[in-house]
Amino acid sequence: DAGVTQSPTHLIKTRGQQVTLRCSPKSGHDTVSWYQQALGQGPQFIFQYYEEEERQRGNFPDRFSGHQFPNYSSELNVNALLLGDSALYLCASSPGGRGETGANVLTFGAGSRLTVL
Amino acid sequence: AQSVTQPDIHITVSEGASLELRCNYSYGATPYLFWYVQSPGQGLQLLLKYFSGDTLVQGIKGFEAEFKRSQSSFNLRKPSVHWSDAAEYFCAVGARTGTASKLTFGTGTRLQVTL
Repeated sequence: DAGVTQSPTHLIKTRGQQVTLRCSPKSGHDTVSWYQQALGQGPQFIFQYYEEEERQRGNFPDRFSGHQFPNYSSELNVNALLLGDSALYLCASSPGGRGETGANVLTFGAGSRLTVL
Repeated sequence: AQSVTQPDIHITVSEGASLELRCNYSYGATPYLFWYVQSPGQGLQLLLKYFSGDTLVQGIKGFEAEFKRSQSSFNLRKPSVHWSDAAEYFCAVGARTGTASKLTFGTGTRLQVTL
């Protein structure tokens, strides 16, 4: 059973460009959350998608947007990249419809490492 | 707003020695509490979680953690560390919202194991 898969694993962009990161949740999971992990820091919550809608959002600017597809996969888009957006972007999925405790057992992917030059 | 403090940035222990990683949280009620481990270049793996009930929780790889409400702490322990335990450890707190909550992570503790 595949876990959470993310693509690409590494990418390099320049300031001002746009990037799209992709995530396929674990089989049976319908909720996807995105986190940003800067070097030497803990992950920070960006937003969460459930039933193709953004359900919660962290303290990130509107340059960060997302989407969830009917098959529960998700994309994270970042526009007008800044040097400070360089980080590991982690996707996590959970079985959102399986009760409160089940919904809070997150499975993380290996991440997409973004470098902005 | 919820927050997590991991006071120790870096800890070094000898293989076979015991380990305790500290975690303090700030939250208005009893939160969900988690410990995750991250190896270099990898994502996060859940070690254990506390939702309710017994305040001493057992996890994978021989780890355990104890929730102490009076101290707002959720320290991670292991009686005998193995060299393969060297990694970054993150404590996280989640709000009880009735749905999948956002997690707030600490800044992590890097564990080094000497042979």
